[in-house]
Amino acid sequence: DGGITQSPKYLFRKEGQNVTLSCEQNLNHDAMYWYRQDPGQGLRLIYYSQIVNDFQKGDIAEGYSVSREKKESFPLTVTSAQKNPTAFYLCASSINGMKETQYFGPGTRLLVL
Amino acid sequence: AQRVTQPEKLLSVFKGAPVELKCNYSYSGSPELFWYVQYSRQRLQLLLRHISRESIKGFTADLNKGETSFHLKKPFAQEEDSAMYYCALKKRDYKLSFGAGTTVTVRA
Repeated sequence: DGGITQSPKYLFRKEGQNVTLSCEQNLNHDAMYWYRQDPGQGLRLIYYSQIVNDFQKGDIAEGYSVSREKKESFPLTVTSAQKNPTAFYLCASSINGMKETQYFGPGTRLLVL
Repeated sequence: AQRVTQPEKLLSVFKGAPVELKCNYSYSGSPELFWYVQYSRQRLQLLLRHISRESIKGFTADLNKGETSFHLKKPFAQEEDSAMYYCALKKRDYKLSFGAGTTVTVRA
């Protein structure tokens, strides 16, 4: 449970600013994911990565970017192109790829100033 | 389309009463379905999956292919069951498709 950490807990973004959300896991999981959680809409997949140095767009990738340089880290950048960034962002990971159960981090709430 | 629908945004029950959260899905083939729960100030966690056919914290969920449903049930709700519940479907590309969620409040 405590193997997936996200920071910061709260993040404020100014207009035109890029911000980066951190996700780290020490579970030795291969796959990692970023979701956006909005009230009344459930979770929507932004990006996912099945292996180091590889990642794929999810359902709502526009305005976001990711990297996967290390197995344990999958940072998400919310760019200025994302016009409605205010949301709760959840990171998840799973062992041995996407067939396995996903375990979630505690989340980061992003607010726009 | 491979989709999950949770028709109830809010559900309020008294302690000790039965609770049922509805989940319907659209999927051609054999679906893999899950229920996730998010308690206040805690992270989202897996509650149960239909493959396991298990009962977790008194909750059960049966896959009904004829009605394309995977409703979550508990015969006697407890105050600690108050939470947000998400039904999820694993699609053919192994991505999870989540429903909009149901907030359950169990009153004393």
